[in-house]
Amino acid sequence: GAVVSQHPSWVICKSGTSVKIECRSLDFQATTMFWYRQFPKQSLMLMATSNEGSKATYEQGVEKDKFLINHASLTLSTLTVTSAHPEDSSFYICSARAATAYNEQFFGPGTRLTVL
Amino acid sequence: SQELEQSPQSLIVQEGKNLTINCTSSKTLYGLYWYKQKYGEGLIFLMMLQKGGEEKSHEKITAKLDEKKQQSSLHITASQPSHAGIYLCGADSTGANSKLTFGKGITLSVRP
Repeated sequence: GAVVSQHPSWVICKSGTSVKIECRSLDFQATTMFWYRQFPKQSLMLMATSNEGSKATYEQGVEKDKFLINHASLTLSTLTVTSAHPEDSSFYICSARAATAYNEQFFGPGTRLTVL
Repeated sequence: SQELEQSPQSLIVQEGKNLTINCTSSKTLYGLYWYKQKYGEGLIFLMMLQKGGEEKSHEKITAKLDEKKQQSSLHITASQPSHAGIYLCGADSTGANSKLTFGKGITLSVRP
């Protein structure tokens, strides 16, 4: 089946530093990847849609200069949280859309970011 | 924008019991996805429904989309501890294979 990986699974960083999170589709090509953020006991909030070879489309209220997204290949998208602050601490999940009949999205295992 | 309301917010059932959870949309659904999530983990794809009146089953889980395509239910038969988790519905509201909007999720606990 379609597998999506994320790296790292968790990261702790100091305030002011930048953190990069990778999202990979392991056994399929994904022209579109999505980045979500999830707070404890809350639903997933879409941050941005990432298309291979083009600029990401950000949702309203998401700072594109703070959350840099790069979709360099059909199997890799990265999210960089720049100048992280404690309020950026969250669970970040990516998904990749497979080119199947249903175009379902397959999700990565998530990355827990803690900013001290 | 589309909103999804899931009910109940949480549910505790005894092992072996049947249960049904719901997902109601404020707009017509072009695609309705059910996912399961363990706290702190990613989402596991369960089923996707597109057509009004459609029903799909996988093992002991059955999902239906009503004729008007604004509500979906997910039914678990003879629940087991392995069914415990958070069930999220996600909707494609435009039919253009666009982004998904998610409900807040339903936390299911199954008592052995």
